[in-house]
Amino acid sequence: KQEVTQIPAALSVPEGENLVLNCSFTDSAIYNLQWFRQDPGKGLTSLLLIQSSQREQTSGRLNASLDKSSGRSTLYIAASQPGDSATYLCAVSPTLGSGYSTLTFGKGTMLLVSP
Amino acid sequence: KAGVTQTPRYLIKTRGQQVTLSCSPISGHRSVSWYQQTPGQGLQFLFEYFSETQRNKGNFPGRFSGRQFSNSRSEMNVSTLELGDSALYLCASSTGPTGAEAFFGQGTRLTVV
Repeated sequence: KQEVTQIPAALSVPEGENLVLNCSFTDSAIYNLQWFRQDPGKGLTSLLLIQSSQREQTSGRLNASLDKSSGRSTLYIAASQPGDSATYLCAVSPTLGSGYSTLTFGKGTMLLVSP
Repeated sequence: KAGVTQTPRYLIKTRGQQVTLSCSPISGHRSVSWYQQTPGQGLQFLFEYFSETQRNKGNFPGRFSGRQFSNSRSEMNVSTLELGDSALYLCASSTGPTGAEAFFGQGTRLTVV
């Protein structure tokens, strides 16, 4: 059974810092990995999707890397801003042979960026 | 184009009642999944549908059921509500049954009193 772990559970940084969020998964047989952002009481916003054949994806100040063989992904946020404060979740989808795309989620990293 | 729409946004129900939640996926998306989010358990998978067929089901009691219609809209139903069913219920849509990027709605906040 796939298990996803995110470290740290919470992170507080001053504005302007570069930071790294970690995600690990136990079964390397994944099709893709997705990073999401969730504001309190809201739904999930997709940030980055990395296919299993890719090593990284970039969007603006965000960069996500994937090392499938070691079961790890990192989300790098450059020059953090107070507006980045949210919970960040990673999720993996199973291989194509499974016949479905059910996501397995980590419990998230709650990020607070102070002005 | 419009995103994933979930209705209603908020619900308050009494123990023992039943509730129906609705999800309209992004136009052209045929896959819909449902998740339950609670502070203690995080996001847990409920159901996945593609073209009106249930592709996968999570480990929830039979009180939780769902369906998908020919226009890809989906509903989930919870009968005989319990206090522990209080949660944020999230719906996600994607283009296909495997590996496509998932887009989530704003969720339905269900409170059982």
